[in-house]
Amino acid sequence: LAKTTQPISMDSYEGQEVNITCSHNNIATNDYITWYQQFPSQGPRFIIQGYKTKVTNEVASLFIPADRKSSTLSLPRVSLSDTAVYYCLVASNTNAGKSTFGDGTTLTVKP
Amino acid sequence: EAQVTQNPRYLITVTGKKLTVTCSQNMNHEYMSWYRQDPGLGLRQIYYSMNVEVTDKGDVPEGYKVSRKEKRNFPLILESPSPNQTSLYFCASSLYGPGGTDTQYFGPGTRLTVL
Repeated sequence: LAKTTQPISMDSYEGQEVNITCSHNNIATNDYITWYQQFPSQGPRFIIQGYKTKVTNEVASLFIPADRKSSTLSLPRVSLSDTAVYYCLVASNTNAGKSTFGDGTTLTVKP
Repeated sequence: EAQVTQNPRYLITVTGKKLTVTCSQNMNHEYMSWYRQDPGLGLRQIYYSMNVEVTDKGDVPEGYKVSRKEKRNFPLILESPSPNQTSLYFCASSLYGPGGTDTQYFGPGTRLTVL
């Protein structure tokens, strides 16, 4: 399983763009990269997923370089409600069912 | 509404008293998994199940049991709870597995305190 490394915490201000990078040097060919958001005392929820290059949805963008050894979650114009913990998960469905989340990044958005 | 439900949401118990935390999903998912979350330690996988009657250990299985007799249910059993199992527990499910193009759907969590 690919081990992931993220910054422990980040601070930002409302309206700014936030980029959170996840390192996964031993990513395997079949692995996809999925980002989850978790608010206090709630279960994580899906934000975005990708395999390579760039993916964009209504809430975020995901940038994955050609070597796929890292990925960057980009949150445009954050608000106070984006304060949460963000996890990147690198996994495939060919490694049975093991699922190893990293420690996550605590994002604090200030007014 | 597609969802993963857990019961109970909160539980305070004493050392050694067997308990079961239920998990149920209504999305016809093959894959289900249990995680525990402790301050500063992220999400750690306890057990998972790829489909009915197939379960396997995650990273922290000691002190826990699971069963998967039906596709929709995946209960977590603590035969003899100890204080170090005080934690926030999450159940999750996905169509086929934890990764690839699948997305894990998480339950609301069960906060367990073992005295």
